[in-house]
Amino acid sequence: GEDVEQSLFLSVREGDSSVINCTYTDSSSTYLYWYKQEPGAGLQLLTYIFSNMDMKQDQRLTVLLNKKDKHLSLRIADTQTGDSAIYFCAETSYQKVTFGTGTKLQVIP
Amino acid sequence: DAGVTQSPTHLIKTRGQQVTLRCSPKSGHDTVSWYQQALGQGPQFIFQYYEEEERQRGNFPDRFSGHQFPNYSSELNVNALLLGDSALYLCATTPGLLFNEQFFGPGTRLTVL
Repeated sequence: GEDVEQSLFLSVREGDSSVINCTYTDSSSTYLYWYKQEPGAGLQLLTYIFSNMDMKQDQRLTVLLNKKDKHLSLRIADTQTGDSAIYFCAETSYQKVTFGTGTKLQVIP
Repeated sequence: DAGVTQSPTHLIKTRGQQVTLRCSPKSGHDTVSWYQQALGQGPQFIFQYYEEEERQRGNFPDRFSGHQFPNYSSELNVNALLLGDSALYLCATTPGLLFNEQFFGPGTRLTVL
């Protein structure tokens, strides 16, 4: 079946850039997503990219997609303490969605 | 706009019981998806409802069933509860079948004792 993997934890200093990585196995993925989950809250869609794109930028967020290596990354520029959360990548194919296990981002003031 | 709402927020049940969780979609959304998020894990897709029919289903047993009403709200039913069903149950809604504008509710925390 489909598999989406992420590293568990990332720690950065406030003001630095954060890069969260994700790998997936499904070559028929159509869209790939990044979600943010804060403690006690549901998931918030941050951004998504169509599988025929290799980059998308949205304010402080930059998504890079390497379809050949099935690798997705999320770069957060000028990371703030409010960015501390768990970040999930997800992919869809054939109308089903698969989430990764999440990366906990800790921002040190 | 109230966004996606879910009820109840917390629930405690015992093994073998049955539970019903409810979801009201964001205004303008007609498709409801349900997810199970175990502690420390990512959400797992249970199923999706559109036009009052189950359209897609993840790898969950038949103990998990659902319903969508004409006003697009939805229920998730779980029968014969197991300890392993303890999780955060998330509802997400979209305008149509794509996941690209998916809005999540805050979830229902189910504890099975």
